[in-house]
Amino acid sequence: EAQVTQNPRYLITVTGKKLTVTCSQNMNHEYMSWYRQDPGLGLRQIYYSMNVEVTDKGDVPEGYKVSRKEKRNFPLILESPSPNQTSLYFCASSRGGAGYGYTFGSGTRLTVV
Amino acid sequence: GIQVEQSPPDLILQEGANSTLRCNFSDSVNNLQWFHQNPWGQLINLFYIPSGTKQNGRLSATTVATERYSLLYISSSQTTDSGVYFCAVERTAGGTSYGKLTFGQGTILTVHP
Repeated sequence: EAQVTQNPRYLITVTGKKLTVTCSQNMNHEYMSWYRQDPGLGLRQIYYSMNVEVTDKGDVPEGYKVSRKEKRNFPLILESPSPNQTSLYFCASSRGGAGYGYTFGSGTRLTVV
Repeated sequence: GIQVEQSPPDLILQEGANSTLRCNFSDSVNNLQWFHQNPWGQLINLFYIPSGTKQNGRLSATTVATERYSLLYISSSQTTDSGVYFCAVERTAGGTSYGKLTFGQGTILTVHP
């Protein structure tokens, strides 16, 4: 089944403890991206990648890192999480370009205390 | 950047009623998707519809790209239709994606039995 898989689905962590949210897609998509969803602010893009080793900042990149060492994986790294990064996170992928939509993962609900 | 406005912001229906959700966008787009976010937070892709009309069971969507709007129709609504409905758009240039979906603020739909 074609899908985007995020792990974990739920995570509670403490301020300053490094964490990684994994994202993997099995559709051989070129484009991958991360979004966060917050009440009143909607979904905002954090980082995106148009190909292996090509990444770029979205609208709210501060406090996050990403890497794209292989096509299928696009992990989101929080090196020193803070409470303002408590949010619902989504990974998405697409073949890219006009004519192709995005497929989203099931989301990761992160709480930083 | 592109502005996406959805209306109405909230909608309450009795089971069996029909509804129309609207999405207006401020500039020409190449990709447009409708999503349903269920009570568990998952984003479910309903339609990829940059132009034209599509139907899937009780749901249908129409995008009039030249007039910069899209409509999502829900007929014979059921309690399981409850959740938030998002419209998201993307611009591309020369067939190449900019890698970003811009989301509207969503329509919160509540269907009562």
